[in-house]
Amino acid sequence: RKEVEQDPGPFNVPEGATVAFNCTYSNSASQSFFWYRQDCRKEPKLLMSVYSSGNEDGRFTAQLNRASQYISLLIRDSKLSDSATYLCVVNLYSGGGADGLTFGKGTHLIIQP
Amino acid sequence: EAQVTQNPRYLITVTGKKLTVTCSQNMNHEYMSWYRQDPGLGLRQIYYSMNVEVTDKGDVPEGYKVSRKEKRNFPLILESPSPNQTSLYFCASSFTTTGTTSQSWDTQYFGPGTRLTVL
Repeated sequence: RKEVEQDPGPFNVPEGATVAFNCTYSNSASQSFFWYRQDCRKEPKLLMSVYSSGNEDGRFTAQLNRASQYISLLIRDSKLSDSATYLCVVNLYSGGGADGLTFGKGTHLIIQP
Repeated sequence: EAQVTQNPRYLITVTGKKLTVTCSQNMNHEYMSWYRQDPGLGLRQIYYSMNVEVTDKGDVPEGYKVSRKEKRNFPLILESPSPNQTSLYFCASSFTTTGTTSQSWDTQYFGPGTRLTVL
């Protein structure tokens, strides 16, 4: 059974604060990992890929913990424009099937002034 | 401009009236996929296609059909729509890499969405 789990939130965070949320996945052999951002009623858009060594893009840091089977997203100095739903995406299967790209249900983040 | 287009963007129809939602991408992607998004359920995959003439069921294929006759197009067909198919639909495409024991996906590019209401 495919499983990518996220805390749905909402996370209410004051502007300027640091916020982090995780996403757990079920298959230890999973390969690709991504964070997508989705604004209300809009299409998801790639925020960043998640690499084994961790990666940073401006105020955003993504990390992968294979031992505990989760990925994380850290947002520093949060802006009002960061308010959105953040979707975790994992390729759950490492062999054979091509149906393993699975989306989490998303974490809703609200940045408050 | 690299993009995925969907049409129509909004559609209100009645039960049983066949409809097609078109999806087209101009990035020469092999992989295309259809999702529906419902409150509290997140994105659920309906069908996907690894390449021309290669399609397969996702998590919620019942009531839907697809075809992939050309690389750029991946229409979603509802032969006899029902009210439980009222949803927000997204088409997506990407490059993929097939290894000997694994499948990996590049960035998924999504269309703008089609909001379907079946009365």
